[in-house]
Amino acid sequence: EPEVTQTPSHQVTQMGQEVILRCVPISNHLYFYWYRQILGQKVEFLVSFYNNEISEKSEIFDDQFSVERPDGSNFTLKIRSTKLEDSAMYFCASSLRQANTGELFFGEGSRLTVL
Amino acid sequence: QKEVEQDPGPLSVPEGAIVSLNCTYSNSAFQYFMWYRQYSRKGPELLMYTYSSGNKEDGRFTAQVDKSSKYISLFIRDSQPSDSATYLCAPVTGGGNKLTFGTGTQLKVEL
Repeated sequence: EPEVTQTPSHQVTQMGQEVILRCVPISNHLYFYWYRQILGQKVEFLVSFYNNEISEKSEIFDDQFSVERPDGSNFTLKIRSTKLEDSAMYFCASSLRQANTGELFFGEGSRLTVL
Repeated sequence: QKEVEQDPGPLSVPEGAIVSLNCTYSNSAFQYFMWYRQYSRKGPELLMYTYSSGNKEDGRFTAQVDKSSKYISLFIRDSQPSDSATYLCAPVTGGGNKLTFGTGTQLKVEL
């Protein structure tokens, strides 16, 4: 069964460092997403990406965040200068159709710990 | 008022029980309603998806939507220990492309 894969599974970094989280979406999917979940809190939308551009982003997704699809298979989330409050589980997801008409497939997440 | 609210639980039931999980929302623009299941340290996975008010059944699971009262329910029949997880409701607006998750209800089904 096709799945979304994420790397690394866990990353520890120092405050102020740049972090790149990587995702390989399901191959024929067209929509890509990043969500995050701070420990003990709800899953929050960060950004959606379609046709090589951001289609929607939340207020959390400020200038410190960026996304990229550098080739036909990877989808990355970059945090330029990490803060303590960026510590969370980051989930990548992909879908064949828009979120309101299709199923989002989530990866197992990348846990980011900022010290 | 939060956009999507769920009782966080934990809810503990014996195996075989009927479970009722509920969610309320405030945004009238929500038109599509998803239920996701999240096991510990895993990503959410879609359980049920409904559009209009009414019921939708899939095996042991039934999703119910009442748009007039902005109330969503998920019923699990003959609950199993493998159903132990956190259940997240996630509505979507008509033209939207993002899920707005509730905090989730933690369910534990005991032998």
